[in-house]
Amino acid sequence: DIQMTQSPSSLSASVGDRATITCRTSQNIRNHLNWYQQKPGKAPKLLIHGASSLQSGVSSSFNGSGSGTEFTLSINTLHPEDLGTYYCQQSYSAPYTFGQGTKLEIK
Amino acid sequence: EVQLVQSGAEVIQPGESLKISCQASGYNFDNYWIGWVRQMPGKGLEWMGMIYPGDSDTSYSPSFQGQVTISADKSISTVYLQWSGVRASDTAMYFCASQGRRGFGSGSYPYWGQGTLITVSS
Repeated sequence: DIQMTQSPSSLSASVGDRATITCRTSQNIRNHLNWYQQKPGKAPKLLIHGASSLQSGVSSSFNGSGSGTEFTLSINTLHPEDLGTYYCQQSYSAPYTFGQGTKLEIK
Repeated sequence: EVQLVQSGAEVIQPGESLKISCQASGYNFDNYWIGWVRQMPGKGLEWMGMIYPGDSDTSYSPSFQGQVTISADKSISTVYLQWSGVRASDTAMYFCASQGRRGFGSGSYPYWGQGTLITVSS
């Protein structure tokens, strides 16, 4: 299985700040990396697929980058509605493992 | 509009069998992978496995292989997740998620069900 290491596990930032989450994989997955946002009590929502492609309807504040084994999700200008938990997921080879999650708190 | 509608919450006793469902609409059900994802209380997402409804090809995570069975009924555009005997450790929210359209790989999920909460308790 491909192991996912996501950091930080939690993040507290203010409205208007920039937030960055990192995901590292145990082997080269090229650009087969997705980012999801999950709000409490809700299903996850796909934000970024293919490492850097913004999913339709998702705010352009979200930006994904990286390839190989290191990836980054940036939220350029935090809004209150961005609170939630963010997960990376590799879609290179099954089992399609998720990172441990990053809980984002808005101060 | 693509929709995945899951069956309702279940409270079930240890050792009982259980089958939950996920009905898809709004796209060609046969041609896109559907996966199942577990979320234990207060924990992260775990990919369990997936099915290609067109030919019922399945792939399971080693962590779930032999513990659950994923199946599909093309006639009603529905995918199932079943247990032959649940345990307390199966208490969790279960999500189905679909590849749903071209441009996404078999493990990329733009479409999700609302989740089914399973509580195993005696």
